[in-house]
Amino acid sequence: DAKTTQPNSMESNEEEPVHLPCNHSTISGTDYIHWYRQLPSQGPEYVIHGLTSNVNNRMASLAIAEDRKSSTLILHRATLRDAAVYYCILHGEYGNKLVFGAGTILRVKS
Amino acid sequence: GAVVSQHPSRVICKSGTSVKIECRSLDFQATTMFWYRQFPKKSLMLMATSNEGSKATYEQGVEKDKFLINHASLTLSTLTVTSAHPEDSSFYICSVVSRATRLPSYEQYFGPGTRLTVT
Repeated sequence: DAKTTQPNSMESNEEEPVHLPCNHSTISGTDYIHWYRQLPSQGPEYVIHGLTSNVNNRMASLAIAEDRKSSTLILHRATLRDAAVYYCILHGEYGNKLVFGAGTILRVKS
Repeated sequence: GAVVSQHPSRVICKSGTSVKIECRSLDFQATTMFWYRQFPKKSLMLMATSNEGSKATYEQGVEKDKFLINHASLTLSTLTVTSAHPEDSSFYICSVVSRATRLPSYEQYFGPGTRLTVT
């Protein structure tokens, strides 16, 4: 199984950028890198995904290493509403399934 | 607006009774829906894949006779927890895949979850 490794938790100050790392050294050539986040007592929410190139959307940016063995989710200006569990997931090996790991708990301080 | 709805959002039932949870895709036809459960402070665990018009595919260790899944239409899947026990108390979440985008590059849409408490 292609797995991801993320830090258990991170802390950020409000209005500052946040870089959430993810290691996926066993990624296969067809695996997409997906990021989801889950706010307390809610279902997960899609954030961003990519394959090889860096990606930007209104929520975040995804920086993918050249060898694809790691990636970083970048929140450009953290707000209190960004406090959540962030999941980095490799998608492709299991077909339609998303297999969630432990994720990173992001705490944002005001 | 919400793409996926779940009903009820919260339910308390007595041990031995059955509980039905509905998952509706509001914006598009969903050929495939997924059911997850999540215990407090734990990650989501995939329970089963629900395919419209066919039997659900259950993950290893999930009892199919206890967690009945029905995907009768392209917008509705139901999960019935039969003969519920306190250990079934959990947060149940569904997600949907658009019929039009089934490649690995799609995004999944999750429901808001249903909190089940069995007393």
